[in-house]
Amino acid sequence: EMQLVESGGGLVQPGGSLRLSCAASGFTFSNYAMTWVRQAPGKGLEWVSSISGSGGSAYYADSVKGRFTISRDNFKNTLYLQMNSLRVDDTAIYYCAKVNRYSYTDLDCWGQGTLVPVSS
Amino acid sequence: QSVLTQPPSASGTPGQRVTISCSGSSSNIGSNTVNWYQQFPGTAPKVLIYNSDQRPSGVPDRFSGSKSGTSASLAISGLQSEDEADYYCAAWDDSLNGRGVFGGGTKLTVL
Repeated sequence: EMQLVESGGGLVQPGGSLRLSCAASGFTFSNYAMTWVRQAPGKGLEWVSSISGSGGSAYYADSVKGRFTISRDNFKNTLYLQMNSLRVDDTAIYYCAKVNRYSYTDLDCWGQGTLVPVSS
Repeated sequence: QSVLTQPPSASGTPGQRVTISCSGSSSNIGSNTVNWYQQFPGTAPKVLIYNSDQRPSGVPDRFSGSKSGTSASLAISGLQSEDEADYYCAAWDDSLNGRGVFGGGTKLTVL
């Protein structure tokens, strides 16, 4: 059974940094692209970033470009999101998701999410 | 506002057929496949439709998706009380070096 488990969330001050992790199991991790999606409290889903299976290609939302970095360790079956220069409007639940086949928004398995509150 | 446009709310009575629309442009829906997700409060989203009109195994055939030009739709027939949830469309957008885009979400109420 495919499973994704996020970790690393927690309260951080504006301007601070945090690294989220997403541990994958139940599928051949290196064969699949991965995506991060976030959801601010009471708001809709927002695509954040995607990375190819090899890690050679990465894409970012304009709202996080230059501040967030997506990466993966295919030996550890783990996806990461390094978040720097955090802002109050980055407050959200962050989900990692496995890409199915057709596009980076074709997501067939989601983690339970990890909450990142940014506040002083 | 969101790149993909959905109505903020929809409603129906049990047994009815409800349709949720998703409007985009030539750079997203017009040239890429559409996905639909269902989300209950406090839980992660779950895929309902992929490749615009395909249902993953385990998703009831009451749910169907379609795409025409730069718009897509999710139809739910034989509406049930457990269908009350938030629904989101999503697509890849080829502009700006590539980016994912979601609709703003539609809250479905079963009356």
